[in-house]
Amino acid sequence: DAGITQSPRHKVTETGTPVTLRCHQTENHRYMYWYRQDPGHGLRLIHYSYGVKDTDKGEVSDGYSVSRSKTEDFLLTLESATSSQTSVYFCAISDSGLAGYNEQFFGPGTRLTVL
Amino acid sequence: AQTVTQSQPEMSVQEAETVTLSCTYDTSENNYYLFWYKQPPSRQMILVIRQEAYKQQNATENRFSVNFQKAAKSFSLKISDSQLGDTAMYFCAYNNNDMRFGAGTRLTVKP
Repeated sequence: DAGITQSPRHKVTETGTPVTLRCHQTENHRYMYWYRQDPGHGLRLIHYSYGVKDTDKGEVSDGYSVSRSKTEDFLLTLESATSSQTSVYFCAISDSGLAGYNEQFFGPGTRLTVL
Repeated sequence: AQTVTQSQPEMSVQEAETVTLSCTYDTSENNYYLFWYKQPPSRQMILVIRQEAYKQQNATENRFSVNFQKAAKSFSLKISDSQLGDTAMYFCAYNNNDMRFGAGTRLTVKP
């Protein structure tokens, strides 16, 4: 299995509070991604990174920000959590970017509940 | 924007039989990549099989094969000799500078 960890694995928070999810990889892959998974929608891309300090928006980026200060870490922040952000969040890594054929390797997911 | 449609929310199959999961997508691009991912109850996303659009030959991986029809924008997954461990959600995905997943098909393999 690819070395990807996510923390925390579960979190319950209240509306309006800030939340940061962490993705850590030991594979030295250049590209990192954050997705959310909701019933009926599959996985949707939130943000991705193509290098240290290089990030871009995905399909559902509103309400989220990201940062990548080191190759191995990719942080997803909800500045002010809302109930619509209750979801399962997956981090993924790959050798190639969104135009690539290479497999994306996924972390174990974080279940976030916003009350 | 590209869309990926999986028209079968749920399917079931008897152990050892064959099942086909459907996937269609919408794109104006000529070259892209298609994937099938499996998500068992553990929630871990696992790559099953992938296909490059410019390759005519359908990809195969052991019991898993695809029927790629580029003109029809169809990418179905066939699972032969189904096993209990194949029980999972299956997601079709399209990738060309914009990774898009379908909503998934929940497959149950019955003993």
